[in-house]
Amino acid sequence: DTGVSQDPRHKITKRGQNVTFRCDPISEHNRLYWYRQTLGQGPEFLTYFQNEAQLEKSRLLSDRFSAERPKGSFSTLEIQRTEQGDSAMYLCASSLIWTSVDNEQFFGPGTRLTVL
Amino acid sequence: SQQGEEDPQALSIQEGENATMNCSYKTSINNLQWYRQNSGRGLVHLILIRSNEREKHSGRLRVTLDTSKKSSSLLITASRAADTASYFCATEGNYGQNFVFGPGTRLSVLP
Repeated sequence: DTGVSQDPRHKITKRGQNVTFRCDPISEHNRLYWYRQTLGQGPEFLTYFQNEAQLEKSRLLSDRFSAERPKGSFSTLEIQRTEQGDSAMYLCASSLIWTSVDNEQFFGPGTRLTVL
Repeated sequence: SQQGEEDPQALSIQEGENATMNCSYKTSINNLQWYRQNSGRGLVHLILIRSNEREKHSGRLRVTLDTSKKSSSLLITASRAADTASYFCATEGNYGQNFVFGPGTRLSVLP
């Protein structure tokens, strides 16, 4: 257990529905990352926050995806109008970074999304 | 864009043998990190090597970094069945950009 928690662990939804995932990082960590991972592949970066500011978004993050970290603590990732191609494991990670030299990310267990 | 690529994609060895995995990337980096992932679980950080370091050890793990060749290797000595997992390298660029993970090496350690 790394100290990063994600909820829910599994989500099954029908195409077209909206889903929201939550990530609780390690409490003193100032950075929070979202990744998507499909079977047999490495994690793909989606977006990251430094405190409450969303600093970077991947081109993978279409308009149907939105992420927030309102108070610089927990974060939510919402997918609107889900498609079957959204089926994947969604991973959250957090880190404490003051310089970019040693950015060790601690990963949560992930939320596995299945879109029927 | 920088990208970690692990080699081989899959590796099967007997318990007690050493396992070596390689990672190549394309652009300048601040550091390179190795992670392990057991099937269906989150990633566990193994070791970080900075761009000005050439070799690092942690228990049964040995990591090397050759910035001139833009490559790294992870050696697991005296492997155990519990080492069976996927191993990923991740690179972080000079300007603190996001991590870029490779597709991973799937290691199977047979008892």
